[in-house]
Amino acid sequence: GAVVSQHPSRVICKSGTSVKIECRSLDFQATTMFWYRQFPKQSLMLMATSNEGSKATYEQGVEKDKFLINHASLTLSTLTVTSAHPEDSSFYICSAVPWTEAFFGQGTRLTVV
Amino acid sequence: AQTVTQSQPEMSVQEAETVTLSCTYDTSESDYYLFWYKQPPSRQMILVIRQEAYKQQNATENRFSVNFQKAAKSFSLKISDSQLGDAAMYFCAYLNRDDKIIFGKGTRLHILP
Repeated sequence: GAVVSQHPSRVICKSGTSVKIECRSLDFQATTMFWYRQFPKQSLMLMATSNEGSKATYEQGVEKDKFLINHASLTLSTLTVTSAHPEDSSFYICSAVPWTEAFFGQGTRLTVV
Repeated sequence: AQTVTQSQPEMSVQEAETVTLSCTYDTSESDYYLFWYKQPPSRQMILVIRQEAYKQQNATENRFSVNFQKAAKSFSLKISDSQLGDAAMYFCAYLNRDDKIIFGKGTRLHILP
């Protein structure tokens, strides 16, 4: 199966700073990637669709200016959490769907202190 | 918009016994894909089984099988000979035409030794 690599796996940052999470497709090209957020003991909530070479599409209720997404190449999408606050602490997962099956990154546990 | 419903937040099964996890979905699409994903404590999403809607035959993967009832929009997962390693959160998921994965709320499965 395809491999999606996500880094970092854990990050702790101070309130007010920004943090970048990378999602790479290692053995296939992904024109589209997806970013999810997961709160403890809850399901995955789709935040946005990352489109290579164009603007990301955000789900209703997701702040575009807080969660900046860049998809500059066919193998890399990044999610930047800007001006992070403790309520942004969560588990973030990226995925790609190269052929009618979703492949997920390992996830990033973000803690904002 | 598609929805996925898992009505069992938690379930328990004795080791070596069989358990069935329920899932229903709603869609107006005629062709789609359904999945069951397992999320262990590591939080890595692991594909358990996949079903193409156009296939009438139920998918099977070793101890895991599904009961796919397209007309009823039902997609249950049966785990036979339950093992301790099966303990995890299980998500039923729907892949739509835009390659977005819609997840159910999940069922936490406990395996009793």
